[in-house]
Amino acid sequence: DAMVIQNPRYQVTQFGKPVTLSCSQTLNHNVMYWYQQKSSQAPKLLFHYYDKDFNNEADTPDNFQSRRPNTSFCFLDIRSPGLGDAAMYLCATSRLMTDYEQYFGPGTRLTVT
Amino acid sequence: SQQGEEDPQALSIQEGENATMNCSYKTSINNLQWYRQNSGRGLVHLILIRSNEREKHSGRLRVTLDTSKKSSSLLITASRAADTASYFCATVSNDYKLSFGAGTTVTVRA
Repeated sequence: DAMVIQNPRYQVTQFGKPVTLSCSQTLNHNVMYWYQQKSSQAPKLLFHYYDKDFNNEADTPDNFQSRRPNTSFCFLDIRSPGLGDAAMYLCATSRLMTDYEQYFGPGTRLTVT
Repeated sequence: SQQGEEDPQALSIQEGENATMNCSYKTSINNLQWYRQNSGRGLVHLILIRSNEREKHSGRLRVTLDTSKKSSSLLITASRAADTASYFCATVSNDYKLSFGAGTTVTVRA
């Protein structure tokens, strides 16, 4: 089945130690998104790629970076995780940005110790 | 930034009852979507309603949209234990991005 896959599902990292979260999709969608969701809160968009075009949200900290080496894969890099970065990170895709639903992966829960 | 606000924050119902939750938003939209999130999992798209539509059905789900009041409602009929989840409304405006509300947590008791 076509889907959005996130690895790992659970990630523990130390304060200040760089970490990379991975997302892949078999849907061949043009757009890939990264969201941060803290406990009992709404998902918050960090950035998205439309094909190779990167779009950063204005309030996304510089600590968060992303790479999309090809259509299928997208990575979220957190350069120096702080305790406040502990959250669920959700990857999503959509065929286009206009008027289309988004398909979400299962998420990666990040713990910072 | 968060655009939608869901009401109530939490809802507990008996299996077989209907569940209704509401979403209000602030600015004009292209469409409004509802998503379900089971505990600790990703979001699943339920239904999309465009700004020129007033009502939409999908199985046991009924969504209404009132653009004059900037509000939407999601009705789940004949609820089941498997409907226990958090439900989020998300609006799409001219920037084509989803802006989520904080969600309604629904618990269906057997």
